[in-house]
Parts: sequence; C-alpha cells; structure tokens
Amino acid sequence: KAGVTQTPRYLIKTRGQQVTLSCSPISGHRSVSWYQQTPGQGLQFLFEYFSETQRNKGNFPGRFSGRQFSNSRSEMNVSTLELGDSALYLCASSFTPGTGGPDTQYFGPGTRLTVL
Amino acid sequence: GQNIDQPTEMTATEGAIVQINCTYQTSGFNGLFWYQQHAGEAPTFLSYNVLDGLEEKGRFSSFLSRSKGYSYLLLKELQMKDSASYLCAFGRGSGNTGKLIFGQGTTLQVKP
Repeated sequence: KAGVTQTPRYLIKTRGQQVTLSCSPISGHRSVSWYQQTPGQGLQFLFEYFSETQRNKGNFPGRFSGRQFSNSRSEMNVSTLELGDSALYLCASSFTPGTGGPDTQYFGPGTRLTVL
Repeated sequence: GQNIDQPTEMTATEGAIVQINCTYQTSGFNGLFWYQQHAGEAPTFLSYNVLDGLEEKGRFSSFLSRSKGYSYLLLKELQMKDSASYLCAFGRGSGNTGKLIFGQGTTLQVKP
C-alpha cells in the first residue's frame, strides 16, 4: 500500500500571500489530521477531517483552514502568511474503523513552508 | 489543562538499553502513542498503549500506567540507527478521533 503523500514538499512564500497544501491519505483511510511542527513548539495539532467534515480543531487562528474531499484527500490553506508560519506541515491519516479509542496515525513526509 | 513532558535529550551507548520517560496530565485520556522521527523525516509509529502494562515489539517496549499518568519507551540492544527524536503523544477525547497531543520529543544520541 502506498503511504501518505503530501505536495508540494517544499514551498517558499512571502508575507501576506496564501498557500494551499495537499495530502493524500493511505488508501482506505478516512481520517486526515494536520499538524504544524516547529523547533520551538514541537508538533501541534491543527485540525482533523473525517467524511468531509471537520471533527476536531486545534488552537490556531482562523487563517488556517482545511477541507476534505469525497475521496478522503485533504487540503489545508493558510491565508495572509506571517513569518511565524514557517514550519513543517505534516498530515497523518488513520483508518478509523468505528470502534472506541484513537486509531494509529500514519504521517506523510510533510511540506516545508518558508515564509520570507 | 493538558500537559505532556519528556526529557529533551538523552545519550546512550551502542548495544545498551535506554528508557525514555513520558508523563502526562489530561482529562479524556484515550491512549498513549510513541513515534520515532529521524532528522528531516516524518514521524513513524512505534507503539500504542491504551491499557496499563507493557507492550513488547522486538527491541522496543512501551509501558503505561494510567493512574500515574506515566509511560516509558524501552529500547534494547541499541543501534546507531536508533539515534532520532522520540515523541510521546496521547489521544484526546472520547471515541476514535484523530487528535494527538505531542510532547516536545526526546532526542536520543547513540554513541559507539
């Protein structure tokens, strides 16, 4: 089975611009979660999508948004970029079989965003 | 609130055993995960504990005590390739949700 894929792998933007990142989950996985990783803050949860609906949201400003398509692929968008948005953005997919408890998340390689 | 702590750095010798501790505070605890992350790469899943006790997977074992809010990852027969960051994370909330709260990670350096 192919793993989680993310595009693009690297991105350079300037302050004020917006960016869209894409994530394709493992085939059969229905949940996609997004995380931001920085040296200072570590891995922080952004949001989770399941069946095209946002199921969980982290403590990030409204400039960060996302969506999920019917084929479970997901995109996240960051508008009005700030220097502090420079980070590795990771998405993770899980099967979510419907039983209790969190399901194991499998991470993609990430998109390295640099804001100048 | 919710909090998760682990040591920032550890050093160990090739062939030895190392234990990486993780303590957490949360309501709505829903399982404890360990991930390994090599520099410049994505985190890869190592283990998952939802009940108290020890889970063994080859050279890696993970332990959980829910009453103490404590977990550890035990790495045996250390190899140079085990040099990486080790992240503990707990699942948050009821039901199966894709929200994990991560610690800052423990950078393990294995020396010859």
